[in-house]
Amino acid sequence: GAGVSQSPSNKVTEKGKDVELRCDPISGHTALYWYRQRLGQGLEFLIYFQGNSAPDKSGLPSDRFSAERTGESVSTLTIQRTQQEDSAVYLCASSAGQGGTGELFFGEGSRLTVL
Amino acid sequence: QKEVEQNSGPLSVPEGAIASLNCTYSDRGSQSFFWYRQYSGKSPELIMFIYSNGDKEDGRFTAQLNKASQYVSLLIRDSQPSDSATYLCAVEGGRRALTFGSGTRLQVQP
Repeated sequence: GAGVSQSPSNKVTEKGKDVELRCDPISGHTALYWYRQRLGQGLEFLIYFQGNSAPDKSGLPSDRFSAERTGESVSTLTIQRTQQEDSAVYLCASSAGQGGTGELFFGEGSRLTVL
Repeated sequence: QKEVEQNSGPLSVPEGAIASLNCTYSDRGSQSFFWYRQYSGKSPELIMFIYSNGDKEDGRFTAQLNKASQYVSLLIRDSQPSDSATYLCAVEGGRRALTFGSGTRLQVQP
């Protein structure tokens, strides 16, 4: 597609349930990022994939959070046993990676509400 | 100390004035610096990037970088109400991933 696509756009779940958020990056972009943005706050780095390198998972807040990426395509962010503090907008971004300008192109985000 | 610090604002300026947004960063090895604009309820979009010390101008926007002081700023000339948004400073360094500040909310008063 022309841009970064994320789904679902909105997700309401009950505390304790697992959720999966999907990101489809811009074709040809080797780098993919997940950020979390709580209401009125800045972007909190979660995880970064660059090509076939080991992902940088240093931003994942707990072992309930995990993410996978298949090659240089779709990524899935999984949150297990959701808690109310997980409520936020989860933003995915992709970039051309090494050799590019570093510009990140963001999706519209997945708004997660944990009741 | 946060890796990237910004004053949260709001910064209020009258239409036509110069808005000055500031950012400091802690990682002296940082190489690339970005300013993103985020309208309420929308995703961030890139305004400018700067790699070298000094000024970089693009239309009404000027980014300024001082690596010795670990300081980067964004000037918006002839501010318009449509510039009202949150401006996020982002820094790329040894962690390889962009680190964002918490953003400065700018309000341009008509």
